[in-house]
Amino acid sequence: SAVISQKPSRDICQRGTSLTIQCQVDSQVTMMFWYRQQPGQSLTLIATANQGSEATYESGFVIDKFPISRPNLTFSTLTVSNMSPEDSSIYLCSVQHGYGYTFGSGTRLTVV
Amino acid sequence: QKEVEQDPGPLSVPEGAIVSLNCTYSNSAFQYFMWYRQYSRKGPELLMYTYSSGNKEDGRFTAQVDKSSKYISLFIRDSQPSDSATYLCAMSDQAGTALIFGKGTTLSVSS
Repeated sequence: SAVISQKPSRDICQRGTSLTIQCQVDSQVTMMFWYRQQPGQSLTLIATANQGSEATYESGFVIDKFPISRPNLTFSTLTVSNMSPEDSSIYLCSVQHGYGYTFGSGTRLTVV
Repeated sequence: QKEVEQDPGPLSVPEGAIVSLNCTYSNSAFQYFMWYRQYSRKGPELLMYTYSSGNKEDGRFTAQVDKSSKYISLFIRDSQPSDSATYLCAMSDQAGTALIFGKGTTLSVSS
């Protein structure tokens, strides 16, 4: 299966600032998925990122708030912009590889 | 009604017990069913993958899918303290599309 390196693993940020999360995959993949996991909640899909095209966002998530970069088949970034305490969550990237999907280790974000 | 329902627990069992974890879903188009294990402060790790209905066994783990009832299960035999984690069910209707997750069940196995 694919191995994903996700960073940072955690961060504490001031409200109004932005944080960029990076995911590097050890093999080429077509689709990358970005999820948010709020305390006590299931993983919620933010967007699907395909190399060479704009990301597709789920209802409730917009590009201005969560811009995504997908410059090649092994790398993607998610930016959480103009943060508020409600953005405190775990953010995860994921790829499909063979059977099943592999996840990064997550970025635990706290906004103060 | 949410697409995927999963009892969040917590579930506490003694070492050696048989654990049963379950999810129900509403979308009859789901064909790919997975169980993930997530330790604290870690990303989800794939445990079991099943396509369509049927059973799949891997060591102490057995996954069952009943599409007619829209019900999936994960059984853990001879549970160990190292099995203490959150277990997430996930499913999709097409290969390569994003997964829909249950809330996760927190399991604690005491020695």
